[in-house]
Amino acid sequence: DAGITQSPRHKVTETGTPVTLRCHQTENHRYMYWYRQDPGHGLRLIHYSYGVKDTDKGEVSDGYSVSRSKTEDFLLTLESATSSQTSVYFCAINQQGAVTGELFFGEGSRLTVL
Amino acid sequence: GENVEQHPSTLSVQEGDSAVIKCTYSDSASNYFPWYKQELGKRPQLIIDIRSNVGEKKDQRIAVTLNKTAKHFSLHITETQPEDSAVYFCAASTGNQFYFGTGTSLTVIP
Repeated sequence: DAGITQSPRHKVTETGTPVTLRCHQTENHRYMYWYRQDPGHGLRLIHYSYGVKDTDKGEVSDGYSVSRSKTEDFLLTLESATSSQTSVYFCAINQQGAVTGELFFGEGSRLTVL
Repeated sequence: GENVEQHPSTLSVQEGDSAVIKCTYSDSASNYFPWYKQELGKRPQLIIDIRSNVGEKKDQRIAVTLNKTAKHFSLHITETQPEDSAVYFCAASTGNQFYFGTGTSLTVIP
């Protein structure tokens, strides 16, 4: 187990409210990722981080922001949630650092926006 | 960016038969190709991977082949068992970004 936890695991919220999902790792991995999973779309990258305060956009970053103030925490924020952001969100870490290696996923956070 | 296409989207096989899932990618710079298995309600988990300097890799009943010229790679599962039923995702990586296919739902019929 790579020591990666996500919180909350389930959340129901209303359109227009802010939401923050947290990803916490215990093994000091440099690269962390946020994906969303939707039927028919597979896993799509939202944002990723390659170090403290170093982040970059993925393929579906509109409506999302991220922050990484500590190595162990990578936060995903929906400033004003919309129904199209109802999804399962997975955090992942790259266990081999800068070398392309295995992505290890958290258990997922199911978000429902009403 | 990279574009990964995966086929078929659903696959049903009889227990003991083989299953093949195919993926294509667009970016010739991609050099790492993992396959993930996701059981219902669980996280995706790596089952096998291959790097661009290798044409084939095997691990017991699963194997992956890579054709760099044609930009496609495939997952082969032999002697399928009911516990192989899951969604399988292929992915391609050029470095630190991973691009996933849309998944194949495999059902193994006892």
